[in-house]
Amino acid sequence: GAVVSQHPSRVICKSGTSVKIECRSLDFQATTMFWYRQFPKQSLMLMATSNEGSKATYEQGVEKDKFLINHASLTLSTLTVTSAHPEDSSFYICSARDPGGGSSYEQYFGPGTRLTVT
Amino acid sequence: AQSVTQLDSHVSVSEGTPVLLRCNYSSSYSPSLFWYVQHPNKGLQLLLKYTSAATLVKGINGFEAEFKKSETSFHLTKPSAHMSDAAEYFCGISGNQFYFGTGTSLTVIP
Repeated sequence: GAVVSQHPSRVICKSGTSVKIECRSLDFQATTMFWYRQFPKQSLMLMATSNEGSKATYEQGVEKDKFLINHASLTLSTLTVTSAHPEDSSFYICSARDPGGGSSYEQYFGPGTRLTVT
Repeated sequence: AQSVTQLDSHVSVSEGTPVLLRCNYSSSYSPSLFWYVQHPNKGLQLLLKYTSAATLVKGINGFEAEFKKSETSFHLTKPSAHMSDAAEYFCGISGNQFYFGTGTSLTVIP
């Protein structure tokens, strides 16, 4: 099946610094990727939809200047948390849709990145 | 619009007894439905998916789910719970976006 990777799996950074998280589709090309955020003991919330070669579409309430998304190629999307603060600490998960897969609606999820801001 | 509702935030069962995790959906067209499991501090693992084929879907680790259009339900079941099944379970529905339920925390009592 299709595989999506994320890097890093865990990151600890100091308040005020920026952190970049990578999401890669390993064996398929993904024109659309999605970024989710999960708070402890809560469900995943969609943050934004990343489209290759165009601007990301952010969900209501998500600060686009704080969470920068770049989808520069068909296999890579990045999420940069700028000027991170402790309240940005969370579990970030990306997913990708395989347009050539059997089910056009299935998304493949990465393993997640645990961000801790101190 | 599409959505899923997980009816129980917590379920507790004894080891060896059946598991039932409930999920209802809302969709204006034939949905694609999924169940994922998430162990502590881990990512999502796909258990099974329904994509308009057989209504009874068998997944990994002995789990299965039945799509019931008349009841707009997609409940997850397992005949006999194992300690390793203790985790968070998410029901999901997919269209242009993917919508997750709020999750059900499964506790297995030895």
